[in-house]
Amino acid sequence: KNQVEQSPQSLIILEGKNCTLQCNYTVSPFSNLRWYKQDTGRGPVSLTIMTFSENTKSNGRYTATLDADTKQSSLHITASQLSDSASYICVVSARAAGNKLTFGGGTRVLVKP
Amino acid sequence: DAGVIQSPRHEVTEMGQEVTLRCKPISGHDYLFWYRQTMMRGLELLIYFNNNVPIDDSGMPEDRFSAKMPNASFSTLKIQPSEPRDSAVYFCASSLVPGTGGHPSTDTQYFGPGTRLTVL
Repeated sequence: KNQVEQSPQSLIILEGKNCTLQCNYTVSPFSNLRWYKQDTGRGPVSLTIMTFSENTKSNGRYTATLDADTKQSSLHITASQLSDSASYICVVSARAAGNKLTFGGGTRVLVKP
Repeated sequence: DAGVIQSPRHEVTEMGQEVTLRCKPISGHDYLFWYRQTMMRGLELLIYFNNNVPIDDSGMPEDRFSAKMPNASFSTLKIQPSEPRDSAVYFCASSLVPGTGGHPSTDTQYFGPGTRLTVL
């Protein structure tokens, strides 16, 4: 069964600090992995998307890594800002009929001043 | 571009009533997706369309749910009859046709603001 597990479920960090979110998946055959940021009361917004051959991708202070061998991804937030407070969702796509998407449960990040 | 537009933003209804959620995708996007999000189950893909044709509706929870896309600029998700367990935030998203001929999953999906549905 295709699954995406994210950790931690939530974390609190101080403004200016770095943090790393984890995503482990069992989706097969793998097509791509996306990280979304979802602010409270808003729709998710795409941060990064990585295919099998990509092992790192950055979007400003957000850097995503992918290890297709161990089926792990991480999202690193550098020099966190109050606006980074949001839920971060890992979504993995399977290269199969319909390219089914499997969603992680998300990590809720709270940045405190 | 105004982005993906959804209406209403909030809907409160009583059990047994029909509910219709509406979505206008970004102009030029040929793929449209309907999602449901709850605290318990997270984000779930319900159905998606390509060029107005439903491609995969395996995520639709039961026959009470139906979705249509009569033209490229409008889609509806209908629940009839509604039940309290349908309470959730429903998102619509759209994406471009892949220019390389690849699969739509490689394209960024742009989400609307969502409709918060409460069924009493």
